[in-house]
Amino acid sequence: KAGVTQTPRYLIKTRGQQVTLSCSPISGHRSVSWYQQTPGQGLQFLFEYFSETQRNKGNFPGRFSGRQFSNSRSEMNVSTLELGDSALYLCASSLTGRRTEAFFGQGTRLTVV
Amino acid sequence: GENVEQHPSTLSVQEGDSAVIKCTYSDSASNYFPWYKQELGKRPQLIIDIRSNVGEKKDQRIAVTLNKTAKHFSLHITETQPEDSAVYFCAPYSGNTPLVFGKGTRLSVIA
Repeated sequence: KAGVTQTPRYLIKTRGQQVTLSCSPISGHRSVSWYQQTPGQGLQFLFEYFSETQRNKGNFPGRFSGRQFSNSRSEMNVSTLELGDSALYLCASSLTGRRTEAFFGQGTRLTVV
Repeated sequence: GENVEQHPSTLSVQEGDSAVIKCTYSDSASNYFPWYKQELGKRPQLIIDIRSNVGEKKDQRIAVTLNKTAKHFSLHITETQPEDSAVYFCAPYSGNTPLVFGKGTRLSVIA
């Protein structure tokens, strides 16, 4: 079966702009989580969606938001981009998001200039 | 929330030697303990996990041991090979929270 797909793979944006990233989970998976990965900070949890509802949120400013659609596809949005937002953004899908394996997408590499 | 620490942050071993990475956590309600491996330029992937009613689990050259009393679990890799070089993340899970990862351990296997 198809894996987790993230689009686009690479993005270059200017400070102050906004960006939308997309994640298509494995068919049948209802949980989608988003992570920010930077060299010094590892995998930092952004938020988790389950059945179109945000179930958990990490410690990120309100500029970071997301949503999930009825087909479980998820998007995350970052508004008013800052240089420090440059990172690899990974999404992970799982059946329930609880005690089950998380499958990661290849990530979107965002560069803010 | 869960406070997760991994040690060491970097580890270099000679090919054929063993490697051990330790993960400590704070939430005594944690009941699922996975390890993920991320090779350079690739996505993280689950390599082994253990549940709280089991003390040890093995899968070929890798094993995970759990000490719930001390609130830590460890990843053991025996007979290391160059392809084991990667960053390893632990993600102790408790109840109604999502997977929260440690900061990772960079393992280098020197041929």
